[in-house]
Amino acid sequence: GENVEQHPSTLSVQEGDSAVIKCTYSDSASNYFPWYKQELGKRPQLIIDIRSNVGEKKDQRIAVTLNKTAKHFSLHITETQPEDSAVYFCAASIGGNDYKLSFGAGTTVTVRA
Amino acid sequence: KAGVTQTPRYLIKTRGQQVTLSCSPISGHRSVSWYQQTPGQGLQFLFEYFSETQRNKGNFPGRFSGRQFSNSRSEMNVSTLELGDSALYLCASSLEDRETDTQYFGPGTRLTVL
Repeated sequence: GENVEQHPSTLSVQEGDSAVIKCTYSDSASNYFPWYKQELGKRPQLIIDIRSNVGEKKDQRIAVTLNKTAKHFSLHITETQPEDSAVYFCAASIGGNDYKLSFGAGTTVTVRA
Repeated sequence: KAGVTQTPRYLIKTRGQQVTLSCSPISGHRSVSWYQQTPGQGLQFLFEYFSETQRNKGNFPGRFSGRQFSNSRSEMNVSTLELGDSALYLCASSLEDRETDTQYFGPGTRLTVL
């Protein structure tokens, strides 16, 4: 089955600095890669997603890059703010099925004021 | 539109019992997926329903089952509960539009098995 590895497991950055989280996947058929943010005690919320026909996507301070050949994708957060502190999960569709996602283990991001 | 809702929010059961969790998707969404979230295993896919049919299934034992009703509401059932079933159970709904098939999560049901 699909295996998604996510690194690092924890990340501490100074406010204003950038944060980068990397994920790798194993299923060549994966074609949908969402990123979710989960604050303590709350539901995961989609922050950005990318499809395999696109190499990069940006939404304000958040960007995602995808390298299908190497089977890895990354989340970039620029100008980090304290409210960016949360657990971030990457995911990859399994077998090309958008409705069946395999999640990474999560990255706990702490933004120091 | 109202978001995805799940009931109950918290549940305490004992080993051997069974439990039913409910999920109401966003209005108009026909796909409902279920996930189990634990500190050790993270978020794991249980199954997905669409038009009252189980369309996808994860690698969980047969004690975990689900169904979907004609109004897209979904339930999942866990029989013969084990201590390891203690987890946050999340459902997510999706519109199933090729351009916007984002999965929106509910708040989850926190199940504790004693």
